[in-house]
Amino acid sequence: DAGVTQSPTHLIKTRGQHVTLRCSPISGHKSVSWYQQVLGQGPQFIFQYYEKEERGRGNFPDRFSARQFPNYSSELNVNALLLGDSALYLCASSLAAGVSYEQYFGPGTRLTVT
Amino acid sequence: AQSVAQPEDQVNVAEGNPLTVKCTYSVSGNPYLFWYVQYPNRGLQFLLKYITGDNLVKGSYGFEAEFNKSQTSFHLKKPSALVSDSALYFCAVRRALGTDSWGKFQFGAGTQVVVTP
Repeated sequence: DAGVTQSPTHLIKTRGQHVTLRCSPISGHKSVSWYQQVLGQGPQFIFQYYEKEERGRGNFPDRFSARQFPNYSSELNVNALLLGDSALYLCASSLAAGVSYEQYFGPGTRLTVT
Repeated sequence: AQSVAQPEDQVNVAEGNPLTVKCTYSVSGNPYLFWYVQYPNRGLQFLLKYITGDNLVKGSYGFEAEFNKSQTSFHLKKPSALVSDSALYFCAVRRALGTDSWGKFQFGAGTQVVVTP
């Protein structure tokens, strides 16, 4: 079975630009979460979606937005990119949104902002 | 608020020796605790979780973890380490919020495990 897939693998953008990252969850999983992982740190929670509705949001500015589609795939959008947005962006899927469900992570998208 | 601490940046162990990676947490209410492993240029892989019940949880690849409520700890252990266990290990905690029963993962900073032949 395919795991969580993310695209693109790597991305280089310039400050002020916009970026869209994509994620496809494991088949049957209805919840998708997004994380930012800066080098040397643990992942930081950005968003969680379940059944196309936002279920949680971390401490990120409004430049970050996301959505979930009817097929449960998801997009993370970041506007007005800053150098500090350079990080590995991880998508994770789970069967549902409840706290007892473990999340399964994709390989991530490495975003570099120059 | 919730938080996770992994007090060791790196753990060095010889192959065949026991491996322990420490994790302490702070959360109001009942904690839901998880361990993940990350290999270079890869996403995180789920190892095990504690939700309720037996304090000793067994997971993937021979790993286990012991939940200690009084010490608010959830240390990861493996009786005999392999070179292939060399990776970055993350502890994470979740708690239920309100009536929605969802909760964000709060990850620790990670512990690099180095297993030498």
